[in-house]
Amino acid sequence: ETGVTQTPRHLVMGMTNKKSLKCEQHLGHNAMYWYKQSAKKPLELMFVYSLEERVENNSVPSRFSPECPNSSHLFLHLHTLQPEDSALYLCASSQEWMLGLADYEQYFGPGTRLTVT
Amino acid sequence: TQLLEQSPQFLSIQEGENLTVYCNSSSVFSSLQWYRQEPGEGPVLLVTVVTGGEVKKLKRLTFQFGDARKDSSLHITAAQPGDTGLYLCAGRPYNQGGKLIFGQGTELSVKP
Repeated sequence: ETGVTQTPRHLVMGMTNKKSLKCEQHLGHNAMYWYKQSAKKPLELMFVYSLEERVENNSVPSRFSPECPNSSHLFLHLHTLQPEDSALYLCASSQEWMLGLADYEQYFGPGTRLTVT
Repeated sequence: TQLLEQSPQFLSIQEGENLTVYCNSSSVFSSLQWYRQEPGEGPVLLVTVVTGGEVKKLKRLTFQFGDARKDSSLHITAAQPGDTGLYLCAGRPYNQGGKLIFGQGTELSVKP
């Protein structure tokens, strides 16, 4: 496997279910991200981890719970979601989160298409 | 709240036509990136512009960063069906680490 992989690619869950999304990066990067992509809306940054420490949490509801056990893996645990949470969830990684003014390219995975019924 | 407005949101053109996509904001960014996203895939970086007034070319794609670093444009010459996809601009605010603010995207369809 190369780049950033995400599983599952598609997920349908009821509002009372608990599920987890998994992301793995094979690039040796130190920063990992979760984004939410809804139709006709900008990508919304949800969480950022740098060296396994959460550095950004953009007022995301507590029904979304991230976990970063090591610099290669990132999880998003889901519980008691709402229908408006249906979206494409994208994981990304970059070499670093911040280092001076350097721009670090973010490499995205293919996403998990989540439908909440 | 920093926002990036992209226009148009949808564009359907014939092969061979030229087009321009705009990305505008009232905020200043330290740099701006353009991504392309194809169905079933994540966005892929096309270019990063850093200096106000900078112009970068990538084959038939020309990217420009506004002098005031608040806006950017993407111009495609002689569009081809392979250019079809969702084009996203993303600005990097000052003093917010690696955070990117994304526009809502321009969905381009190039018909043969």
